[in-house]
Amino acid sequence: SAVISQKPSRDICQRGTSLTIQCQVDSQVTMMFWYRQQPGQSLTLIATANQGSEATYESGFVIDKFPISRPNLTFSTLTVSNMSPEDSSIYLCSVAQTGGETEAFFGQGTRLTVV
Amino acid sequence: EDKVVQSPLSLVVHEGDTVTLNCSYEVTNFRSLLWYKQEKKAPTFLFMLTSSGIEKKSGRLSSILDKKELFSILNITATQTGDSAVYLCAVGTGTASKLTFGTGTRLQVTL
Repeated sequence: SAVISQKPSRDICQRGTSLTIQCQVDSQVTMMFWYRQQPGQSLTLIATANQGSEATYESGFVIDKFPISRPNLTFSTLTVSNMSPEDSSIYLCSVAQTGGETEAFFGQGTRLTVV
Repeated sequence: EDKVVQSPLSLVVHEGDTVTLNCSYEVTNFRSLLWYKQEKKAPTFLFMLTSSGIEKKSGRLSSILDKKELFSILNITATQTGDSAVYLCAVGTGTASKLTFGTGTRLQVTL
């Protein structure tokens, strides 16, 4: 199974600022995803990070607010821009591995608090 | 719109009890159903189910899928305090490996 390193683990940020979250995988993977989990809620997919092309965003999420980079098959970043308290959430990186016993592995998550 | 519904939302049991968690779904182009355990931040994988009627087991946990009735159950026998967590059900659809998550069941096991 893939090992995913996500950082930072947590951060407290001022409103109006931006935070970039990094996700590093120990092997090449085709699919990388970014999820958000707001307090008391389940996971919601933000976007699929595509290598070599623009990310594919889900309904309700836009590139200006959540720009994503995917420079190669082992690394991706998610930026939360112009933050407000409503952005306080856990952000999770996930990679997909077709076949085998599991389809999705998750990074350790980033707990973001916006004050 | 794809939908995954879990019940109950929360559950408190005594150590040693057996619990059954439910997950129903309405999705297009079903590919798989997955169960995760979330204790702090990162969900940890428990099971992936793709075929109806085949039970998957891991220690005290087991799960089964019914693709005709569109639901799955997760059983935990002889519960322990370490089983306290949020259990998430997710459905994979299409070919893009995207997952749609349910709201989760918060399980608390007391002494």
